[in-house]
Amino acid sequence: QVQLVESGGGVVQPGRSLRLSCAASGFTFSNYGIHWVRQGPGKGLEWVAVISDDGVYKNYADSVKGRFTISRDNSENTVYLEVSSLKTQDTAVYSCAKDRFPHTSSHFGYFYGLDVWGQGTAVIVSS
Amino acid sequence: DIQMTQSPSSLSASVGDRVTITCRASQNINKYLTWSQQKPGKAPQLLIYAASNLESGVPSRFSGSGSGTEFTLTISGLQPEDFATYFCHQSHSPPYTFGQGTKLEIK
Repeated sequence: QVQLVESGGGVVQPGRSLRLSCAASGFTFSNYGIHWVRQGPGKGLEWVAVISDDGVYKNYADSVKGRFTISRDNSENTVYLEVSSLKTQDTAVYSCAKDRFPHTSSHFGYFYGLDVWGQGTAVIVSS
Repeated sequence: DIQMTQSPSSLSASVGDRVTITCRASQNINKYLTWSQQKPGKAPQLLIYAASNLESGVPSRFSGSGSGTEFTLTISGLQPEDFATYFCHQSHSPPYTFGQGTKLEIK
């Protein structure tokens, strides 16, 4: 079945880095844009980043721009999120999710929603 | 940024009831709006995409409507498994913002 599994979270000190992974299975990975979304404790959902199916188009929330980097390896069916210069306000469960339709996330900006989400990986930034 | 204002934040209802949840966008997002359901400890499940299209496998008691800035999710004939949190999400332009969620509880 279609599945996304995140890993790489943990407890980290402010200013340090982590690499989160999102492993996909059950669909033609290279056809779909992938997003990262996070939810902090007691907070709502916050969109973090997107990468297009071919990895060319990337976009980030202002709150993480310059500190987070999204990438993908279509040969390994995996998307990565490098999170660096971490702040306490980055503490959250980070989930990846796929575009509802193939070949949609792009420089045009719009897409048709996220249909499959992973369970998330927790990042706790604390000294 | 596009602000998504979802209401109500919580709702009590009984099995068999019809409930409506509303999402208002701070600017025109055409039909780039989805509704999803989330249960504790589980990944969200997509219910409605493009404002009014029922996702495959989702019961027909769920329906969505609206375009532009006003959207609604209606559940007709609540079932016990429907008690969960619902959220809207705009996919018109980045940053792709979410509504704050509606927690639907059993009365």
